[in-house]
Amino acid sequence: DGGITQSPKYLFRKEGQNVTLSCEQNLNHDAMYWYRQDPGQGLRLIYYSQIVNDFQKGDIAEGYSVSREKKESFPLTVTSAQKNPTAFYLCASTNAHEGADTEAFFGQGTRLTVV
Amino acid sequence: AQTVTQSQPEMSVQEAETVTLSCTYDTSESNYYLFWYKQPPSRQMILVIRQEAYKQQNATENRFSVNFQKAAKSFSLKISDSQLGDTAMYFCAFMRYSNTGKLIFGQGTTLQVKP
Repeated sequence: DGGITQSPKYLFRKEGQNVTLSCEQNLNHDAMYWYRQDPGQGLRLIYYSQIVNDFQKGDIAEGYSVSREKKESFPLTVTSAQKNPTAFYLCASTNAHEGADTEAFFGQGTRLTVV
Repeated sequence: AQTVTQSQPEMSVQEAETVTLSCTYDTSESNYYLFWYKQPPSRQMILVIRQEAYKQQNATENRFSVNFQKAAKSFSLKISDSQLGDTAMYFCAFMRYSNTGKLIFGQGTTLQVKP
């Protein structure tokens, strides 16, 4: 079945550590996104990529980094510069070129907790 | 910049009854997409319904329908014959009619369906 796989489901980070969240899709979508979800704030865009080897900052990119070396993969690194990283992280992809059938597909998320 | 507002943080409805969730948005674009996503306790984001702004006819999907008022920039979701499985957080989202595919989300409405 086609879809988006995020791993791990739960992740614990010590103060000062960098951690990387994995996102893989087999939907053949060009565009991929990372969102952060905090209680009462909905989802906010961290980074997005419309094509391999290219990505743009979203609304809350500070303290995060990404890479897009393959169409299928869009890993997110939460760096030590991110002061409040505890949140639920969702990866998504879109068939943004499909006109009337455009929609975003989401992974199952990663819950990151600072310990 | 586009914004999406959901003014009802929490709502409840009795099983088999009808409930309407509100969403307003702000944009200067004339063509765009609007979505309602459902996030059950599993936290998997599921597309409920999609509306294209250039279509005047309101979208429907089985028990789910929208009231799209383009001039008022309003996009409410009506759930008929509510079921216990409808219990979830519901997000209204906006996407420009372009190839970026970025979604802008509202804050979410938590819906509790009571037996």
